[in-house]
Formats: sequence, C-alpha cells, structure tokens
Amino acid sequence: AQSVTQLDSHVSVSEGTPVLLRCNYSSSYSPSLFWYVQHPNKGLQLLLKYTSAATLVKGINGFEAEFKKSETSFHLTKPSAHMSDAAEYFCVVSDLGRSSASKIIFGSGTRLSIRP
Amino acid sequence: DADVTQTPRNRITKTGKRIMLECSQTKGHDRMYWYRQDPGLGLRLIYYSFDVKDINKGEISDGYSVSRQAQAKFSLSLESAIPNQTALYFCATSDPLRGRDTQYFGPGTRLTVL
Repeated sequence: AQSVTQLDSHVSVSEGTPVLLRCNYSSSYSPSLFWYVQHPNKGLQLLLKYTSAATLVKGINGFEAEFKKSETSFHLTKPSAHMSDAAEYFCVVSDLGRSSASKIIFGSGTRLSIRP
Repeated sequence: DADVTQTPRNRITKTGKRIMLECSQTKGHDRMYWYRQDPGLGLRLIYYSFDVKDINKGEISDGYSVSRQAQAKFSLSLESAIPNQTALYFCATSDPLRGRDTQYFGPGTRLTVL
C-alpha cells in the first residue's frame, strides 16, 4: 500500500536562510513523486516531480528535491527563503496505472512561514 | 483564460439539499479528478475518471457521485448534503502520456453545508 508522511506540519524560517520540508513515502511500485505548493486562497501548483530519471530534481522558484530510495525520502529544499515562499506545501506519491490498485496519495501538508 | 475552471467558486447550502459542482477543462486531458481538502488532512481523492466511460472511486467516495459528460466536463454531486461535507473541493486533470500524471488543479470550490 502506498502512503506519504510529511514530517512537519509547520516550518518557520528566516528570510534568506535555507528551507527543508521533509517527506517520507512508501510504495510497492516504482512511484512518481511530486511537490505542490498552495498559496493562500489559491489552487495547487506543481513545484517539481520525480519520475525515475535523475534523483535530484529541480523545480520552479529555486526549489529542488532529492529522491533517496534507501531512505524512502523526497525532501524539498531551497537554499535561501523568500517572503513569497510562505505557503502550504504538499508531497504526493502517485501510481496511476490502469489497474484497480491505482493510487494517488497526498501528504497532510506543511505550512511554511517566513520571518522577516 | 484558466485551463481548469470550477463553478461555483463558493456555495452555502443546507443539510439535505442536492448540490452539483462542475468542472471544465480546455487542456484536452483524458484524466480528471475530484478532491476535497480539509485542514490538516491534505487532499483526499473522491472520484477519478480515466476517460468518459471509465470512472473510479477514490479514497472517500461515500456520499458523493460523479458524471463525466464529455472529455472536458466532470461533475461532482452531493445527493443529500451533510455538514461534514463542508470543505474546499478541487478538480484536477492530468495526461499520462505527457508528464507522468502531473495534476493541473482548478481554483477550488468552497462549500459550506449548514
């Protein structure tokens, strides 16, 4: 069975410091992994995705994530936080083949706050 | 123009009423999804459709039904709304041939059931 765990419900960092949002997953298959961002009162926007190519994935707005199979992790990082990064971030594991076991699972979200 | 649109954007209704939320897309994607978002729970999948003739239950389908009227339209119905269906509802689309099921989300519908 697939699952995804976001280890922190809330992360607060100072502007200009690094960001780390943690995500662990479990999957019986070779999953696709995604990070989405949701700004207040907005829909979800794709930040980046892993689909079994390079393990270090670069996304928009300076974010990147590294797929570590041995640790079953897909943590999201950014070297230097900006005030506009304040939002909710969702880690997602997906195996949407055409079988009845197809699954897409969202993590519970991590709220990122940025201190001036 | 937005690629994925949802109507209405906000709706307040009473317990027992039938409600329909509509989703339209201009992306030409075969796959469409309905999610609900509750604080602290992330998004949970209600129903998904791989094409017009292929509709599947998601994680929390009880109390909901869907209709895929065309490739571009996917409606979610609450036959008899109850207060714990108060949530933010999102429609999404994806194309498995391009982008390995990257989801493209609509702006959401905020539903309140009194």
